[in-house]
Amino acid sequence: GDSVTQMEGPVTLSEEAFLTINCTYTATGYPSLFWYVQYPGEGLQLLLKATKADDKGSNKGFEATYRKETTSFHLEKGSVQVSDSAVYFCALTGGYNKLIFGAGTRLAVHP
Amino acid sequence: GAGVSQSPSNKVTEKGKDVELRCDPISGHTALYWYRQRLGQGLEFLIYFQGNSAPDKSGLPSDRFSAERTGESVSTLTIQRTQQEDSAVYLCASSSVMGEQFFGPGTRLTVL
Repeated sequence: GDSVTQMEGPVTLSEEAFLTINCTYTATGYPSLFWYVQYPGEGLQLLLKATKADDKGSNKGFEATYRKETTSFHLEKGSVQVSDSAVYFCALTGGYNKLIFGAGTRLAVHP
Repeated sequence: GAGVSQSPSNKVTEKGKDVELRCDPISGHTALYWYRQRLGQGLEFLIYFQGNSAPDKSGLPSDRFSAERTGESVSTLTIQRTQQEDSAVYLCASSSVMGEQFFGPGTRLTVL
């Protein structure tokens, strides 16, 4: 079945460092891909999405490109801030548009 | 309200008791999803409603779990004879058909 694999955390970075969180997927068909973020004490929020191959989703300085040839959707940010500390989830759409999530990657950014 | 709401926000129950969790979706959203997030894990899909029908129940982990939706609005997830492994945050999301899913704040269930 469809699945998402993302790098295990926690990822610990200093402020202004470059961030990459790897995400690969297995899917039949052509799913949409998403990154969701869960800040401490808050609900799950959509960070960015891409609906077809080679699309780039971007928001709040984060980017991810839908790579069909490598079945990947890696999350990147050029300069992280303390406020980016959160848990990040990669996801794809399965049947009936349900979301299939990776296990999540916790990011901790230190001043 | 403007967003998805869930109640209660926290529920502590004893093993073997039944619990009901409620979701109020965004008005007009015909699609409604339930997910479960166990500690330190990703979200697992449980069930999908389109209107009041549930064409995809494939994520329900056992026959102790059931859900219904009425009036194309409120949904209730019921867990019978709760077990400790049912402890998790239960999240509800709603969307227009094939649209972006908006998540509620979740219900944290603790089974003692």
